Amino acid sequence: KNQVEQSPQSLIILEGKNCTLQCNYTVSPFSNLRWYKQDTGRGPVSLTIMTFSENTKSNGRYTATLDADTKQSSLHITASQLSDSASYICVVSFPMNRDDKIIFGKGTRLHILP
Amino acid sequence: EPEVTQTPSHQVTQMGQEVILRCVPISNHLYFYWYRQILGQKVEFLVSFYNNEISEKSEIFDDQFSVERPDGSNFTLKIRSTKLEDSAMYFCASSGLAGGQDTQYFGPGTRLTVL
Repeated sequence: KNQVEQSPQSLIILEGKNCTLQCNYTVSPFSNLRWYKQDTGRGPVSLTIMTFSENTKSNGRYTATLDADTKQSSLHITASQLSDSASYICVVSFPMNRDDKIIFGKGTRLHILP
Repeated sequence: EPEVTQTPSHQVTQMGQEVILRCVPISNHLYFYWYRQILGQKVEFLVSFYNNEISEKSEIFDDQFSVERPDGSNFTLKIRSTKLEDSAMYFCASSGLAGGQDTQYFGPGTRLTVL
């Protein structure tokens, strides 16, 4: 069964610190993996998108890594800011009949404390 | 910067009533999606739409649901006879390429409350 698992479920860190969020997936075959940021009550916003041939992608203070062999991805946030408080969602796409099917992880809720 | 818009932001309805959720995707995008997120749970894919027809749909997207692109700009989700368990945030998204190949841009969502 195609699944996307994220850890930790929630994380609390102090402002200015770094953190790493994990995503493991069992999806196969695999089109791409994306990380989204979702503020409470808002729609997800794309941070990074990687195909299976890419193993790292950066977007400002966000750096995503991908190991397609072990089916693991991580999202590293550098020098966290209060505005980073949100849910971070790992999303994996795999090819279906006419379009890709998309599976969302449950997300990691990140709290940044001043 | 272009964005996906959704209306209404909050819809309250009685069980058994029909609702139509509206979305205006980014103007040059070709692929359109609906997702839902029940409070406290993960986002779930409902349906993808391309070239005026459904590309893929999930098990959730049963006969009570339908989508339509009635004109060149709007993309709608209709729930024919709402149930209590349809209460959720419904997100519309659009992309320039097929969903697996391109960034999807999400709207702000419509909160549907079924009483």
